[in-house]
Amino acid sequence: GAVVSQHPSRVICKSGTSVKIECRSLDFQATTMFWYRQFPKKSLMLMATSNEGSKATYEQGVEKDKFLINHASLTLSTLTVTSAHPEDSSFYICSAPTSGRSYNEQFFGPGTRLTVL
Amino acid sequence: AQSVTQLGSHVSVSEGALVLLRCNYSSSVPPYLFWYVQYPNQGLQLLLKYTTGATLVKGINGFEAEFKKSETSFHLTKPSAHMSDAAEYFCAVTWNQGGKLIFGQGTELSVKP
Repeated sequence: GAVVSQHPSRVICKSGTSVKIECRSLDFQATTMFWYRQFPKKSLMLMATSNEGSKATYEQGVEKDKFLINHASLTLSTLTVTSAHPEDSSFYICSAPTSGRSYNEQFFGPGTRLTVL
Repeated sequence: AQSVTQLGSHVSVSEGALVLLRCNYSSSVPPYLFWYVQYPNQGLQLLLKYTTGATLVKGINGFEAEFKKSETSFHLTKPSAHMSDAAEYFCAVTWNQGGKLIFGQGTELSVKP
């Protein structure tokens, strides 16, 4: 199957700093990628849809200025958590759908654990 | 609003026993249906999916699920649980090809020796 990577896998930062998380589709191109946030023992919450060459589409309640998304190429989307605070600590997961099939199956990255001190 | 419900946030079975994890969706239009498994601190791995065709779908690790339109359900089963099946399981649906997924709340499966 297709492979999606995330970097870093784990990051610890101080409150007030910004953190960038990368999501890459390694063996296929993705014009769309999705960013999720997962709290402990909770389900995945869709934050935004990343669109190559255009602005991201954010879900209701997600702060655009805090969670900056850039879809720089057909294989890379980045999520930047700006001025991070402890409440931003979470597990962030990206996914990317493949194309060219009857159904565009989504493949998930391994996730990034963010801890804000 | 369209939604997905997983009945039971935690299911515990004995090793070798039947595993049944329930998933229902709310919509008159059948969606594409998925089951994912997540191990601690890892991403999601697709177990199986239903898009079209046969309503009984077989997946990896001995799991299978049956799409029942009349019941708007897509329950996940495995005849005999193994210790390695202990994980979090998510049911997800979408009504658009390649579109965003709507996830259920998740069910944590514990397997007792």
